[in-house]
Amino acid sequence: EAQVTQNPRYLITVTGKKLTVTCSQNMNHEYMSWYRQDPGLGLRQIYYSMNVEVTDKGDVPEGYKVSRKEKRNFPLILESPSPNQTSLYFCASSPAPGTDYEQYFGPGTRLTVT
Amino acid sequence: GENVEQHPSTLSVQEGDSAVIKCTYSDSASNYFPWYKQELGKRPQLIIDIRSNVGEKKDQRIAVTLNKTAKHFSLHITETQPEDSAVYFCAASMAGGFKTIFGAGTRLFVKA
Repeated sequence: EAQVTQNPRYLITVTGKKLTVTCSQNMNHEYMSWYRQDPGLGLRQIYYSMNVEVTDKGDVPEGYKVSRKEKRNFPLILESPSPNQTSLYFCASSPAPGTDYEQYFGPGTRLTVT
Repeated sequence: GENVEQHPSTLSVQEGDSAVIKCTYSDSASNYFPWYKQELGKRPQLIIDIRSNVGEKKDQRIAVTLNKTAKHFSLHITETQPEDSAVYFCAASMAGGFKTIFGAGTRLFVKA
């Protein structure tokens, strides 16, 4: 089944404790992206990647890191989480331009930082 | 920076009526405009999209219109049904890249 998966789905952690949220897609998509969703603010792009080893900042990259060592994986790293990073996080993937531009979203990861 | 404004934030309609959601974008380089529907507790899913070389696109009860001069695009849902109740997001991006700006969302209630 074609899909985007994220792990974990729920995470409660404490301020300053490094964490990684994994994202994987099995559709051979070129593009991958991370968003956070907060009430009243919609979806805000954190980072995106247009290919292996190619990443760029979205609107709200501060406090986050990403890497794209393999085409299928795009982990989101919070080196020192803070309470203002409590949010619902979505990973998304999309084929290369010229074909289909639709973004396919993962199921989401709800992160709470205390 | 670039932004997308979406209105209204909440919309309540009677079943069978039409619903219209409007978005305005700031980056004139944007050329791809998708609309996503998000049901409660679910992930966003694409319902319709439009590219800048097209003024209107329709898919059954859903249509999107684009006015590139005014940097304005709208979602139209006709003959609304209770299952249309959800949050709808517009977005703008450059199709050659992947930077995407989303609107803040519209919560649509369809009353039976």
